[in-house]
Amino acid sequence: DAGVIQSPRHEVTEMGQEVTLRCKPISGHDYLFWYRQTMMRGLELLIYFNNNVPIDDSGMPEDRFSAKMPNASFSTLKIQPSEPRDSAVYFCASRPRGQDTGELFFGEGSRLTVL
Amino acid sequence: AQSVTQLDSHVSVSEGTPVLLRCNYSSSYSPSLFWYVQHPNKGLQLLLKYTSAATLVKGINGFEAEFKKSETSFHLTKPSAHMSDAAEYFCVVSGAGGGSNYKLTFGKGTLLTVNP
Repeated sequence: DAGVIQSPRHEVTEMGQEVTLRCKPISGHDYLFWYRQTMMRGLELLIYFNNNVPIDDSGMPEDRFSAKMPNASFSTLKIQPSEPRDSAVYFCASRPRGQDTGELFFGEGSRLTVL
Repeated sequence: AQSVTQLDSHVSVSEGTPVLLRCNYSSSYSPSLFWYVQHPNKGLQLLLKYTSAATLVKGINGFEAEFKKSETSFHLTKPSAHMSDAAEYFCVVSGAGGGSNYKLTFGKGTLLTVNP
């Protein structure tokens, strides 16, 4: 069974450019999470979805960040315009309904560098 | 409110010696506790979980952790380290049950180095 699939694995862009990160959760998983990992702040939850509906986006840093989940098998995290401080590894994770709340399945991450 | 403190940012052991990674938590609820492992350039993988059943929890790759409510601790141990155990380890607390109120709090991580 395929795990959570993220693309791209690496992205280098210049300040001001739009960045789109993609995630395909595990089939049958009802919950999808976007996390950001940096050395300074560790792992931070940005947003999560239940059945394609955004439930909590309080972790989204500012209006430059947006996330969508148009269907059960695809989600995007968009940054427009990007800034150097957005450089981080962005993880997507999913879990099925009824699973222990902390038992998440993570993708391998998208490493973003904004110059 | 909940929090988790990993007491060591870096632990270094020799191959074949015991591993101890320390974690203390704070939670207003009966917590669920987890340990995750992250190998270089990989995502996080669940090692083990405590969810109010047995206080001694066994996980994958020979790791185990003991929930001690009186000490608010959930330390991760392994009797004998292997080179492949070199990775970063995260202690995680989930403080509320059910529905959408699931908030996870991740520790800052402990980097485990295993020397030959």
